[in-house]
Amino acid sequence: AQSVTQPDIHITVSEGASLELRCNYSYGATPYLFWYVQSPGQGLQLLLKYFSGDTLVQGIKGFEAEFKRSQSSFNLRKPSVHWSDAAEYFCAVVDYKLSFGAGTTVTVRA
Amino acid sequence: EAGVAQSPRYKIIEKRQSVAFWCNPISGHATLYWYQQILGQGPKLLIQFQNNGVVDDSQLPKDRFSAERLKGVDSTLKIQPAKLEDSAVYLCASSLLGPRGTDTQYFGPGTRLTVL
Repeated sequence: AQSVTQPDIHITVSEGASLELRCNYSYGATPYLFWYVQSPGQGLQLLLKYFSGDTLVQGIKGFEAEFKRSQSSFNLRKPSVHWSDAAEYFCAVVDYKLSFGAGTTVTVRA
Repeated sequence: EAGVAQSPRYKIIEKRQSVAFWCNPISGHATLYWYQQILGQGPKLLIQFQNNGVVDDSQLPKDRFSAERLKGVDSTLKIQPAKLEDSAVYLCASSLLGPRGTDTQYFGPGTRLTVL
């Protein structure tokens, strides 16, 4: 079955610094990949998604992700983080259902 | 456009009690999902409805969990009797069509259940 792995449980980053969150997928064909963000007390919000085509995907809130088939990765990046980016981030893949990774918690320090 | 609505937002019960959660999806969305999110984990699909029919309930503990989506609109998830391990956030989501391919799921704020 398809799955995603998020190797980093927790990342701390300074405000204004760059952020990269890792996601590795396990899937035979071209996967449908997603990044969601969950702020405290909030539901999941879609940041971006990849289905095909251009491997660099732009999302909301200044996030982007790059699909690399050779590395089975779909890493999320942001050039300069804001304090409001502190949240939990989930990578997900869909086949017949949406399967989530365990999530990465991002802490932003002033 | 209104998002996915859920109630209650928080619920505390004792083990062996029963509890019910309600979800109202985005208007016009045919597919409704219930997820369980245990602390420190990603959401796990419990059940998926297409209109008022069940598409996938393979991960639903049917001895204690039940769900319905009458009239193909809002839905109720019930736990009876609750166990300690049911403590989690229960998320409802909806999508226009279904999970295959490019259909995006929109999530509600969730119900945080604590079982004592």
